[in-house]
Amino acid sequence: EAGVTQFPSHSVIEKGQTVTLRCDPISGHDNLYWYRRVMGKEIKFLLHFVKESKQDESGMPNNRFLAERTGGTYSTLKVQPAELEDSGVYFCASSLAGTGLGGYTFGSGTRLTVV
Amino acid sequence: GQQLNQSPQSMFIQEGEDVSMNCTSSSIFNTWLWYKQDPGEGPVLLIALYKAGELTSNGRLTAQFGITRKDSFLNISASIPSDVGIYFCAGQLSNTDKLIFGTGTRLQVFP
Repeated sequence: EAGVTQFPSHSVIEKGQTVTLRCDPISGHDNLYWYRRVMGKEIKFLLHFVKESKQDESGMPNNRFLAERTGGTYSTLKVQPAELEDSGVYFCASSLAGTGLGGYTFGSGTRLTVV
Repeated sequence: GQQLNQSPQSMFIQEGEDVSMNCTSSSIFNTWLWYKQDPGEGPVLLIALYKAGELTSNGRLTAQFGITRKDSFLNISASIPSDVGIYFCAGQLSNTDKLIFGTGTRLQVFP
């Protein structure tokens, strides 16, 4: 079974540019999550999709971030325009189970550097 | 919002030593999870705890869910070089799928 795949693995962009991160969850997983780790800090929740619907987007930092999951398969996270504080590692995760069972599978992350 | 205080921030130990790290919170969690992150990879689940007071082992790893549901510890016995990485605790509330993570403990093991 293929794991959660994220692309690209690294991205270096200038402040003000746009970047789009992609996540392919494990096939058949309805739940898809985006998390972010800023250097040296905790991994923070951004949002949660159930199929194509946003179940919880309480962690999205501001309106420069746009997440989509058209068709309920892969998801994209776009940052436009990027700011320096957006640098960090963006993780995607997916799961079959719903609330209370935890333990979803994470991708390897996209390391975003804004210069 | 909810916060998890994880300690220590980093540990430098010799191969064969035992390691202990813990997390505390002011919030009550339904589930506690321990993850390990290797360089360039995403977090991988080590142990999941679902009941207050639960003590669970996975090989050389042992974790316990505090009786108050506000804390947890992870022990690694007889450390080996491949234990190197960042260990994260994470709590999950009862009515949500999202995880609240600790700041991580960076473990270095010297031969």
